[in-house]
Amino acid sequence: GAGVSQSPSNKVTEKGKDVELRCDPISGHTALYWYRQSLGQGLEFLIYFQGNSAPDKSGLPSDRFSAERTGGSVSTLTIQRTQQEDSAVYLCASSPLAGGGETQYFGPGTRLLVL
Amino acid sequence: AQSVAQPEDQVNVAEGNPLTVKCTYSVSGNPYLFWYVQYPNRGLQFLLKYITGDNLVKGSYGFEAEFNKSQTSFHLKKPSALVSDSALYFCAVKGRGNAGNMLTFGGGTRLMVKP
Repeated sequence: GAGVSQSPSNKVTEKGKDVELRCDPISGHTALYWYRQSLGQGLEFLIYFQGNSAPDKSGLPSDRFSAERTGGSVSTLTIQRTQQEDSAVYLCASSPLAGGGETQYFGPGTRLLVL
Repeated sequence: AQSVAQPEDQVNVAEGNPLTVKCTYSVSGNPYLFWYVQYPNRGLQFLLKYITGDNLVKGSYGFEAEFNKSQTSFHLKKPSALVSDSALYFCAVKGRGNAGNMLTFGGGTRLMVKP
């Protein structure tokens, strides 16, 4: 079946601009996660959503970062006033549930370059 | 706080030889442990996981991993390496209960299999 999809695959923006990254999880998965992969910091958790519960935003690096999940499906990660240190690959993952040993399935990522 | 260490940035092995990619973890209580593989310009692909039960876990593409609680390790192994196994491998841990549902990743180990 279809996996996690993300768009765009690549995004180049200028410092100070806002960007929106989109994630379509696997159909039926109630949990959705955002991670960031960068050379200096490795793979970092950003935020996750589980059904209608309040999201866990504990990994967001600053208030310039926000995310929403509409209708329990598609999610958008927004970065306002982008900085060069925001350059990274942003990975989305989904799992059937958030708890226990559920496997998180990852999308191909969005490669963001801030000039 | 939970953490994962992958002590080797790179592992080199000849095709046909056994391979081991090391991983140690730190977490409160019993862990959930995962291995993912990443090919160039791709997202993370799930290989295997330990939840409970048998300490030897078998996964995709002939990979296996052994959970060792006393040594807090979860090394990835394969009896006979293939050139196509060359990729970046990530070990990840998730705690139980109130530890949160995010994965904490190690820094990754690049596996190079030479013909």
